[in-house]
Amino acid sequence: KAGVTQTPRYLIKTRGQQVTLSCSPISGHRSVSWYQQTPGQGLQFLFEYFSETQRNKGNFPGRFSGRQFSNSRSEMNVSTLELGDSALYLCASSIAGQGSTDTQYFGPGTRLTVL
Amino acid sequence: QQQVKQSPQSLIVQKGGISIINCAYENTAFDYFPWYQQFPGKGPALLIAIRPDVSEKKEGRFTISFNKSAKQFSLHIMDSQPGDSATYFCAGAYAGTYKYIFGTGTRLKVLA
Repeated sequence: KAGVTQTPRYLIKTRGQQVTLSCSPISGHRSVSWYQQTPGQGLQFLFEYFSETQRNKGNFPGRFSGRQFSNSRSEMNVSTLELGDSALYLCASSIAGQGSTDTQYFGPGTRLTVL
Repeated sequence: QQQVKQSPQSLIVQKGGISIINCAYENTAFDYFPWYQQFPGKGPALLIAIRPDVSEKKEGRFTISFNKSAKQFSLHIMDSQPGDSATYFCAGAYAGTYKYIFGTGTRLKVLA
């Protein structure tokens, strides 16, 4: 079974631009979560989607948004990019059967650099 | 406010030794505590996890010890191997959700 895939793997943008990242979960997984990983702040939860609905949200500004499609694929968007948005963005998928005790499987991430 | 504190930040262990990483949490709403292992260029991968009604869980060379009253838990890696060299993250998960709060990570290096 294929793992979580994220595209693109690397991205370079300039301040003020917007960016869209894509995540394809493991087949059969219905929940998709997004995390931001930086050396200073570590792994921080952005949001989680299930059945095309955002179920949980972290403490990030409204510039960060996401959505999930009917096939469970998800996208996250960051508008008006800031230098501090440079990070590894990780997507994780879960079957979503038992809530927090289901394993979250992470993708390899998208490395975003904002210049 | 950091909700999961992890220590040490880095750890060097000789091959065959025991690696110990500690975490402390503040939020009693957590009901699931996973440990993830991350290699450079890869996403984190689940290593082992525990629920707060269990004091210890062992899977192969990896053991989680959990102290609910102290709100602390730790990962023990027995017979550490160079292949264990990676960054390890502990986390707490809010009950019934996939909202994980991660510790800041421990970079483990096992010397051959």
